[in-house]
Amino acid sequence: GQNIDQPTEMTATEGAIVQINCTYQTSGFNGLFWYQQHAGEAPTFLSYNVLDGLEEKGRFSSFLSRSKGYSYLLLKELQMKDSASYLCAKVGREYGNKLVFGAGTILRVKS
Amino acid sequence: NAGVMQNPRHLVRRRGQEARLRCSPMKGHSHVYWYRQLPEEGLKFMVYLQKENIIDESGMPKERFSAEFPKEGPSILRIQQVVRGDSAAYFCASSPQVLNTEAFFGQGTRLTVV
Repeated sequence: GQNIDQPTEMTATEGAIVQINCTYQTSGFNGLFWYQQHAGEAPTFLSYNVLDGLEEKGRFSSFLSRSKGYSYLLLKELQMKDSASYLCAKVGREYGNKLVFGAGTILRVKS
Repeated sequence: NAGVMQNPRHLVRRRGQEARLRCSPMKGHSHVYWYRQLPEEGLKFMVYLQKENIIDESGMPKERFSAEFPKEGPSILRIQQVVRGDSAAYFCASSPQVLNTEAFFGQGTRLTVV
């Protein structure tokens, strides 16, 4: 199957740290993408992980564990503008080399 | 280097009309992917194309929907005899080759069927 699971919604406070988890079935897996999408806008590329471990890009970091079928997106020093939907998507030959998306996690940042 | 360009941004069609959505990939990208998104839902894969070839159309409805990516010009998603249920945001993404680095999305076309 191609199940990708993310929490539906999360709420966090401005300035805090939040971790958004994503689990997926590992068969045929090649890599995992994270996108940010503000309401009414296009998804914006955040990261792509192929190897195990943590990759840091400014306030955003993404982690992957291939053996566990698990990834997370870590957002530090939250800002109000980080309120958005966060989408994880996997890619792999078994799913035809296309992005297969989870339903997304709506993050609400409150002051 | 312009990003992925989609047009029109907004499209209104009456039931029974045809809708044509265009996507120009980023320069140097030869792979195009179309997705549909209903309000407050995730992105659903529709079709994956390379120049002049449909690679995977497993997400396309069997009737009324078609897609092409000619040798010259943009990729076109065509919806014939639109119905209210076709109202959605349609996004395309492009990548330089088989997905192993990054894929960028266009701004989308918001189709409203009245």
